[in-house]
Amino acid sequence: GESVGLHLPTLSVQEGDNSIINCAYSNSASDYFIWYKQESGKGPQFIIDIRSNMDKRQGQRVTVLLNKTVKHLSLQIAATQPGDSAVYFCAEKGSGGSNYKLTFGKGTLLTVNP
Amino acid sequence: NAGVTQTPKFHILKIGQSMTLQCTQDMNHNYMYWYRQDPGMGLKLIYYSVGAGITDKGEVPNGYNVSRSTTEDFPLRLELAAPSQTSVYFCASSPQGAGELFFGEGSRLTVL
Repeated sequence: GESVGLHLPTLSVQEGDNSIINCAYSNSASDYFIWYKQESGKGPQFIIDIRSNMDKRQGQRVTVLLNKTVKHLSLQIAATQPGDSAVYFCAEKGSGGSNYKLTFGKGTLLTVNP
Repeated sequence: NAGVTQTPKFHILKIGQSMTLQCTQDMNHNYMYWYRQDPGMGLKLIYYSVGAGITDKGEVPNGYNVSRSTTEDFPLRLELAAPSQTSVYFCASSPQGAGELFFGEGSRLTVL
């Protein structure tokens, strides 16, 4: 079945450093991936997405990399700020019957130290 | 726009009781979802709807029911509450299915 997992449950960085959050997925048929940010006590918020026909996509201070060969996804945050402290989830969309649904990973807690 | 609104934010239920978590969205989105989030875990899909009158099961539907009589509302009903249903419940909506989901603030439910 589908599964989305995280390599590291927690990540602590210094303010101003770059952060890299990793995610592994097992469904090679997944064609769309999303990163969400969840601040304490709030619902998840969309950060950035990438389709399977791309290797890289950049947003404002964030970059998502997709390696389909090893089924690996990463989120890079440049110049990490205290406001970036949150849990980050990767999610994948399957194909066919799973086309309307996202499967979420367990999440990585990012802590930014001032 | 208020976005996705969930009520109540907090609730305590006794084992065996029933209740309904309300969810409404004002963005005219066709797709709506209910997820549950247990401590330190990701989100598990309970039920989803692709439009008014259409609902389908997600990964963990047992013990829950939904209805979608209007585009705006997608209530989640818990029948015969059990301690295993203690969780934070998130409702979400989307204009295009499994893409950018807009989440509510969550409803924290405790079953004692």
